[in-house]
Amino acid sequence: AQRVTQPEKLLSVFKGAPVELKCNYSYSGSPELFWYVQYSRQRLQLLLRHISRESIKGFTADLNKGETSFHLKKPFAQEEDSAMYYCALSGNGGYNKLIFGAGTRLAVHP
Amino acid sequence: EAGVTQSPTHLIKTRGQQVTLRCSPISGHTSVYWYQQALGLGLQFLLWYDEGEERNRGNFPPRFSGRQFPNYSSELNVNALELEDSALYLCASRYNLGGGNTEAFFGQGTRLTVV
Repeated sequence: AQRVTQPEKLLSVFKGAPVELKCNYSYSGSPELFWYVQYSRQRLQLLLRHISRESIKGFTADLNKGETSFHLKKPFAQEEDSAMYYCALSGNGGYNKLIFGAGTRLAVHP
Repeated sequence: EAGVTQSPTHLIKTRGQQVTLRCSPISGHTSVYWYQQALGLGLQFLLWYDEGEERNRGNFPPRFSGRQFPNYSSELNVNALELEDSALYLCASRYNLGGGNTEAFFGQGTRLTVV
């Protein structure tokens, strides 16, 4: 069964501090992992995907198949990073659903 | 280019009533996903439609149903509404490449309140 777990409901840090939002997944095949973000009063939108191996807004995420994790990291948090972050998983192949974790609210304080 | 649009924006219904929510995907997107976002529960997967067919459904009772039309727009129907159905219902569309690696674009959601 597909499952995404985000163990923290809230992560509170000060500006300039490092950030790590945790995501663990369960999937029997080769998954495709994503991070989506929802800023206040905006739509949910894609932040990054593991297959692109890119850094967006200073965030990176590495897929660790051994630990079945896809943690989101940023070395220096900014106040504008405050938002709701969702980890998502889609199976490979054409007929797999896209499922989300419960989300982590990141609050960056000045 | 227009994004994913959902209607109505807000809705208030009484227990036992039926409701239909609508979603128009981005042009060219054949997949439509429905999610329920209840307070504190994240996005719960409801239904996935692609090319007019239901491809998968989440752990919701049969009173949650839907369909996808030839123009790829979609409806979500909920019968016999219960108080716990109160939530934000999100629709997302995606271009199905035959693999999973395409971005899903979300609508603004329909806020359903059951009283």
